[in-house]
Amino acid sequence: DTGVSQDPRHKITKRGQNVTFRCDPISEHNRLYWYRQTLGQGPEFLTYFQNEAQLEKSRLLSDRFSAERPKGSFSTLEIQRTEQGDSAMYLCASSLGAGGAGTEAFFGQGTRLTVV
Amino acid sequence: DAKTTQPNSMESNEEEPVHLPCNHSTISGTDYIHWYRQLPSQGPEYVIHGLTSNVNNRMASLAIAEDRKSSTLILHRATLRDAAVYYCILRPLGNAGNMLTFGGGTRLMVKP
Repeated sequence: DTGVSQDPRHKITKRGQNVTFRCDPISEHNRLYWYRQTLGQGPEFLTYFQNEAQLEKSRLLSDRFSAERPKGSFSTLEIQRTEQGDSAMYLCASSLGAGGAGTEAFFGQGTRLTVV
Repeated sequence: DAKTTQPNSMESNEEEPVHLPCNHSTISGTDYIHWYRQLPSQGPEYVIHGLTSNVNNRMASLAIAEDRKSSTLILHRATLRDAAVYYCILRPLGNAGNMLTFGGGTRLMVKP
């Protein structure tokens, strides 16, 4: 399978714990995006990388959230001191090149986080 | 960001055509109209996009109004596997191309 891969698929954690998610984009894609989706809502943009540079962060990305893409390949999203409001599906997407008409985003299946 | 308006839900019978509308009255001249769909327990999946002219691909057709203030996604023969939430998104041309703003989408239910 050469699609976007996310790990783990599901994570249950206690409030206050730290969690880290991993995303492996399609290999030749230089752009990587993180989104969050709560139940019944559409995905909301969090942040994106071009290669290893983090170029944009949403105001949704509080100080407890940090994302990295150290070698311009896989990316990690860490949430520190989790809160119940962090419970959501975290989606990763990748695309090729700069924004242009044809560079659609390819999404992974997401990591579902439940904070108890 | 330019916004889109879609019905919350629609129903269709299997093997019949489905027309999913989207209003985007504040669209700018450089906004592309993109459609994604999200099947249950899956990430969103690209369906089709266009700028001014109608577009066809293997999944669907996109009909764009002459004034570009609305568009319609057409599934020619709905199958049970087409049951999903369909999102109409305006995507600006440029570096921010895939910082997508999803609305609530239209939940399509397909009856056998």
